[in-house]
Amino acid sequence: AQKVTQAQTEISVVEKEDVTLDCVYETRDTTYYLFWYKQPPSGELVFLIRRNSFDEQNEISGRYSWNFQKSTSSFNFTITASQVVDSAVYFCALSEAQGSNYKLTFGKGTLLTVNP
Amino acid sequence: GAGVSQSPSNKVTEKGKDVELRCDPISGHTALYWYRQRLGQGLEFLIYFQGNSAPDKSGLPSDRFSAERTGESVSTLTIQRTQQEDSAVYLCASSLFHSRNTEAFFGQGTRLTVV
Repeated sequence: AQKVTQAQTEISVVEKEDVTLDCVYETRDTTYYLFWYKQPPSGELVFLIRRNSFDEQNEISGRYSWNFQKSTSSFNFTITASQVVDSAVYFCALSEAQGSNYKLTFGKGTLLTVNP
Repeated sequence: GAGVSQSPSNKVTEKGKDVELRCDPISGHTALYWYRQRLGQGLEFLIYFQGNSAPDKSGLPSDRFSAERTGESVSTLTIQRTQQEDSAVYLCASSLFHSRNTEAFFGQGTRLTVV
């Protein structure tokens, strides 16, 4: 079973539409962290947000917002009023302890295309 | 430099040849990671280094893959006797230290094509 599932492989929207990217995770840890990264066509992953498992407060940063629901093991990402520059692959990731180490496990990503 | 730097950005090699990929992490970052990204796939963990501790090699897919890091600086990922299935983008990342809450900063990757 995948530890991080991003069920949407590709999403295409028209500029100014709102779009939500889904992320479902699986872990036995009680303490863990969730991340979202953006990978634009240039290839370099850009860190967007980090959320710890004890903080279920939703977060908003400009046009970006994140909805963390521990009961459903989901950490969804919404872009409001999407823009062409938002076109990228978005990865959700889970950081959990494995023995004395920590592993950052990524989902397969969602390709978002925002058309003008 | 300001970010994680990887070289070369692109590498085409013949099947059976050895290749060496280089990563320069952000100065002061003690943790360094290598990931592999196959076309249309997520990031697959390969190896990580934390300071002078023994590296976690649990993600290396075969003994053809190895990596070294000099202190807390440059790392090289070596793939021996390359196979076509090794074709992928190899991403390096570094973080200030290795813990579950520290974000990793990524380089632009090396696109490896084995022909």
